[in-house]
Parts: sequence; C-alpha cells; structure tokens
Amino acid sequence: KQEVTQIPAALSVPEGENLVLNCSFTDSAIYNLQWFRQDPGKGLTSLLLIQSSQREQTSGRLNASLDKSSGRSTLYIAASQPGDSATYLCAVLIVRAGSYQLTFGKGTKLSVIP
Amino acid sequence: DTGVSQDPRHKITKRGQNVTFRCDPISEHNRLYWYRQTLGQGPEFLTYFQNEAQLEKSRLLSDRFSAERPKGSFSTLEIQRTEQGDSAMYLCASSLGQDTQYFGPGTRLTVL
Repeated sequence: KQEVTQIPAALSVPEGENLVLNCSFTDSAIYNLQWFRQDPGKGLTSLLLIQSSQREQTSGRLNASLDKSSGRSTLYIAASQPGDSATYLCAVLIVRAGSYQLTFGKGTKLSVIP
Repeated sequence: DTGVSQDPRHKITKRGQNVTFRCDPISEHNRLYWYRQTLGQGPEFLTYFQNEAQLEKSRLLSDRFSAERPKGSFSTLEIQRTEQGDSAMYLCASSLGQDTQYFGPGTRLTVL
C-alpha cells in the first residue's frame, strides 16, 4: 500500500525566506506527483504536477523536484510571502491493474510571518 | 466560473438521516473523483468515474455510501443512515484523462 509522508508537519518562517517542503513515498511506481495548496476550510489548488519521467517543474517562485528511485520530492518556495501561508499537500498517482488513486500526505502547515 | 462546483457547501444533519451532495465538474472533463478529508489529514480516495461508469471504489466506501454520475456530467454522493464518524469534508475533483485533478471547494458535513 502506498504511503506518503510529509516533513515537517508545520513550519513557521519570516517573510522573505526561502524554504523547502519534503515529501516521501513508499512505492516508486508512480505515474505522477502533484503538489497542492489548501487554505483553511477550502478545497485544494493544484500548484505543480511532475510526470514520472520528469525531474522538476517550475511555476513562478515555486520549484518542485522528483527523485522517483529514492521516493522523494521537494517543493521549494523562494522569497516567501505572508500570502503563501497555507497547508501544502503532496499526492502521488499510481495507475495499476484498473486502479487509479491519488494518495495524499497529511500536509505541511506553513506560516509566513510578516 | 468554469471550475469544479459543489453543493451544498455545508450540511448539518442528525445521526440516522440521509444526505446527498452534488458535484459539477469542469465541462470537458471525463473523469470525476470523490474524496473524504478529516481534520489534520490529507484527502482519502473514495471513488471515481470515467464518463458515467464507476470504475473504482475504495474500501472506505461502505454500503451506506452510493455515488452516481448518470449522464457523465454531474455526480451525486449519497450517505444513508449517517453516523457521527461520517463528519468530514467531502471533496470532488475532475480531470481530462490522467491529467491534473482540479478540486472543488468541498462540502463540509457535520453529523450531530
């Protein structure tokens, strides 16, 4: 069974700092990996999707990397802003024998202090 | 707004009552998914549809839960004889094939 772990569970940084969020998964036979943002009481916003054949994706101040063989992904946020405060979720997609499931980690709650 | 929409946004019900939630996906998306999220946890997969066919159901989807997507467009998720343990955020997502899943705002269910 695929398990996804996110470290740290919570992170507080001063505005302007660069930061890294970590995600690890146990089954390396993933189809893709997505990073999402979730604001309190809201749905999920997709930030970046990395296909299994890719090593990284970039969008603005966000950069996500994927090392499938070691079962790890990182989300790098440059020059953090208070508006970045949210919970960040990592999810991996396994496609196997008719099964098609996104498995999520529990998230990292980020607070950016002005 | 052409994103995924869910209705209602909040539902409070008494234990033992039936509830039904609706999800309207992005119009051209052929896949639709339901997830459940409890406090402090990531979303957990419940079921997904490709067009009108329900292709996979999680073991979390007990026989009190039923989902439909009758015309391959909107979907409904019904919970019969609700229990306090059903209290959660129910999230719907849609995608075009195996591309990015786009999520709706969720329906928060509270069972008293």
